[in-house]
Amino acid sequence: GQNIDQPTEMTATEGAIVQINCTYQTSGFNGLFWYQQHAGEAPTFLSYNVLDGLEEKGRFSSFLSRSKGYSYLLLKELQMKDSASYLCASMDSNYQLIWGAGTKLIIKP
Amino acid sequence: GAVVSQHPSWVICKSGTSVKIECRSLDFQATTMFWYRQFPKQSLMLMATSNEGSKATYEQGVEKDKFLINHASLTLSTLTVTSAHPEDSSFYICSARGLQGGPMQETQYFGPGTRLLVL
Repeated sequence: GQNIDQPTEMTATEGAIVQINCTYQTSGFNGLFWYQQHAGEAPTFLSYNVLDGLEEKGRFSSFLSRSKGYSYLLLKELQMKDSASYLCASMDSNYQLIWGAGTKLIIKP
Repeated sequence: GAVVSQHPSWVICKSGTSVKIECRSLDFQATTMFWYRQFPKQSLMLMATSNEGSKATYEQGVEKDKFLINHASLTLSTLTVTSAHPEDSSFYICSARGLQGGPMQETQYFGPGTRLLVL
């Protein structure tokens, strides 16, 4: 079956670093996506990895290991506005996204 | 780039009426559009996938006669909730994916969502 696992909730401190992990099992693989969703709003695209390694984009970085079926989203210099849900999604062989349930990130001052 | 709009952003209607929601890709052509529904504090649930010029593919459990989807052009898809009932009250979000072979062929870009409240 197809499955995406990510923690339900994480808490971190303003200014710190947090890593949100995601493991996936899908029928075929055409890339791993991370989206950010603030409460009451639609998701916004953060990153796309299709090759192994780390992709850095400002304060956010995303890592992929295809052999391990594993990805993480790294957020540095956390700000209060980073409080949101972070959705991991794997694209299967039919180019369909299989969504994780999301990780709610709580930032404390 | 990659802007997707949705209209309206809020709808309040009486039970039994039909509601149409529009999803437009403003600066790219989207061969595929997706319609999601999200209940409070729950995950995104894919309702259907629509390709321009063909019938939508509905997920299991989603009534195609109740949720009518039309994808008449590369920039517009509509979702009509027919005979809406209070249990249809939800946050409806569309997303669009670019042309195959183009730079945005994989990424889904989301519209801002439509909140539907059926009284």
